[in-house]
Amino acid sequence: DTGVSQDPRHKITKRGQNVTFRCDPISEHNRLYWYRQTLGQGPEFLTYFQNEAQLEKSRLLSDRFSAERPKGSFSTLEIQRTEQGDSAMYLCASSLGEGQPQHFGDGTRLSIL
Amino acid sequence: QKEVEQNSGPLSVPEGAIASLNCTYSDRGSQSFFWYRQYSGKSPELIMFIYSNGDKEDGRFTAQLNKASQYVSLLIRDSQPSDSATYLCAVPFWGGGTSYGKLTFGQGTILTVHP
Repeated sequence: DTGVSQDPRHKITKRGQNVTFRCDPISEHNRLYWYRQTLGQGPEFLTYFQNEAQLEKSRLLSDRFSAERPKGSFSTLEIQRTEQGDSAMYLCASSLGEGQPQHFGDGTRLSIL
Repeated sequence: QKEVEQNSGPLSVPEGAIASLNCTYSDRGSQSFFWYRQYSGKSPELIMFIYSNGDKEDGRFTAQLNKASQYVSLLIRDSQPSDSATYLCAVPFWGGGTSYGKLTFGQGTILTVHP
């Protein structure tokens, strides 16, 4: 069990650029979640997948955000035309199924210049 | 009313004491409850989960659940300086009798254990 892996760990980019993050869940976990966390707050839900199906997207997720999980394995989260307000820690978690404990990766810290 | 509420603290306890962290939730249908520990600059780490009313113990940690009162607590016995962190209470959103799986987090309680 290698845990949830996220890449990159840090991303610094200029406003208006596109960024893409990758998450590799724990191998037998069929559920994969994306959260965003800003300083002093708990993580906020963005979207989640069961296998390759994206089952829910938060209202926080504007049209600039898109997530995929092709073949039900790794997932990518893309942010287009980044804005200052996108600066945050982006966390990926996976679980065996509904209601089961979610295990988080180390996160990707995004800084927008 | 926030869906999951925690005392933001900070909570400061001496080494060796019991730290008590509380969490209330608004959704009466919630069935599972999770406690995460988050060190500064790191991601949340699952430390306890509880599904049934009563107490669940794991080492120095005890989770307590009271569904009638809609609260869940975490006790840390024999607190150590290494326990200093933010503790997050998380509850899966339960709407219309179906868990959608997404976790709703409290804002976290900052715990400081001083020698």
